[in-house]
Amino acid sequence: AQSVTQLGSHVSVSEGALVLLRCNYSSSVPPYLFWYVQYPNQGLQLLLKYTSAATLVKGINGFEAEFKKSETSFHLTKPSAHMSDAAEYFCAVSGGRSASKIIFGSGTRLSIRP
Amino acid sequence: SAVISQKPSRDICQRGTSLTIQCQVDSQVTMMFWYRQQPGQSLTLIATANQGSEATYESGFVIDKFPISRPNLTFSTLTVSNMSPEDSSIYLCSVVAGNNEQFFGPGTRLTVL
Repeated sequence: AQSVTQLGSHVSVSEGALVLLRCNYSSSVPPYLFWYVQYPNQGLQLLLKYTSAATLVKGINGFEAEFKKSETSFHLTKPSAHMSDAAEYFCAVSGGRSASKIIFGSGTRLSIRP
Repeated sequence: SAVISQKPSRDICQRGTSLTIQCQVDSQVTMMFWYRQQPGQSLTLIATANQGSEATYESGFVIDKFPISRPNLTFSTLTVSNMSPEDSSIYLCSVVAGNNEQFFGPGTRLTVL
């Protein structure tokens, strides 16, 4: 079985500051890991995904995440926050190589202060 | 990639009625899923829609409340039965395409009065 825990339901940073959104996972098989973003009243958009290749994954809009097996973590970072980054971010996990269902974390709302 | 359409995009329904949501994909896909996103919440998997057999439901979801059909590899329906205000949510169809990438539909926004 798979699960994810997102630490912090709400994160607020200043424009230009580092963004760090935390995600820890649990999986009985080698996982695939994802970060999705949801802007207000819009659908889900895939930011990036880890599928057992490079542990540092680069995504869209300057985001990246690092898979750390020893820490069972997949934290999302961006060096410099932009006002347009304000959204809900979801970490998610699925069960590895074969196509399988994706389980979502509870989400983290990112706010950007001017 | 896979392009997913859902009908209706939104609806307002009366308590006790049922609504069927359709999901159409522009290509044959191996797996289809239905998710629910309650207001201000994350996505919760309802079930895996299996082609030619009964859907596989997650804990807390039952066939009598959320019957699902999947007659072929490009189409599925989810029915929300005997609705109550607690069923007000966004319902999303999701598919896994040939490259094992998962795509989400635009969602159906349901309000139950």
